[in-house]
Amino acid sequence: EVQLVESGGGLVQPGGSLRLSCVAAGFTFSNHWMHWVRQAPGKGLVWVSRMNSDGSIISYAESVKGRFSISRDNAKNTLYLQMKSLTAEDTAVYYCAMSSVTSGTTNDYWGPGTLVTVSS
Amino acid sequence: EIVLTQSPGTLSLSPGERATLSCRASESVSINYLAWYQQKPGQAPRLLVYGASSRATGIPDRFIGGGSGTDFTLTISRLEPEDFAVYYCQQHSRSIGAFGQGTRLEIK
Repeated sequence: EVQLVESGGGLVQPGGSLRLSCVAAGFTFSNHWMHWVRQAPGKGLVWVSRMNSDGSIISYAESVKGRFSISRDNAKNTLYLQMKSLTAEDTAVYYCAMSSVTSGTTNDYWGPGTLVTVSS
Repeated sequence: EIVLTQSPGTLSLSPGERATLSCRASESVSINYLAWYQQKPGQAPRLLVYGASSRATGIPDRFIGGGSGTDFTLTISRLEPEDFAVYYCQQHSRSIGAFGQGTRLEIK
């Protein structure tokens, strides 16, 4: 059974930094594209970033480019999202998701999410 | 950046009825990169359809995806009580992903 579990969320002050983790199990992590998607309270889904299986292809939404950095450790079956220069607009539940297609363009399996709150 | 616009914002129907949800792209999207998701309150989204018309594993055949170019639809042929939720379309183009703003399907 595919399992994804995010962690690292919490309360952070504006301008601060945070690193999210997503531990994967139940599939061969090193074979799959992985994504981060966020959802502000009461709002819709927003795609954030994705990375291919070996980390050589990365893309970001314009809203986070230059502030967020996606990475992965295939030996630890873990995906990361390093976030800096956080603002209130970054407050959201952050989901990691796995793509099962070779193009990496679907989000087939999702974690339960971790809440990031940016507030003073 | 391709923008997806979903309509209607809210759809009020009764169980047993047919639902048609629309997703319009600001420019042409490859059907290979168009997907639909369902999200219920307090839950993570669930993939329903990928490649515009292929159902994901375990998705009932009452969920039917279609369309091409800039206009895509998700049809639920006969609504079950568990289908009332928020639905999102998503595309990936030029390596950038984007979701529509969602359609809320509510019980009439």
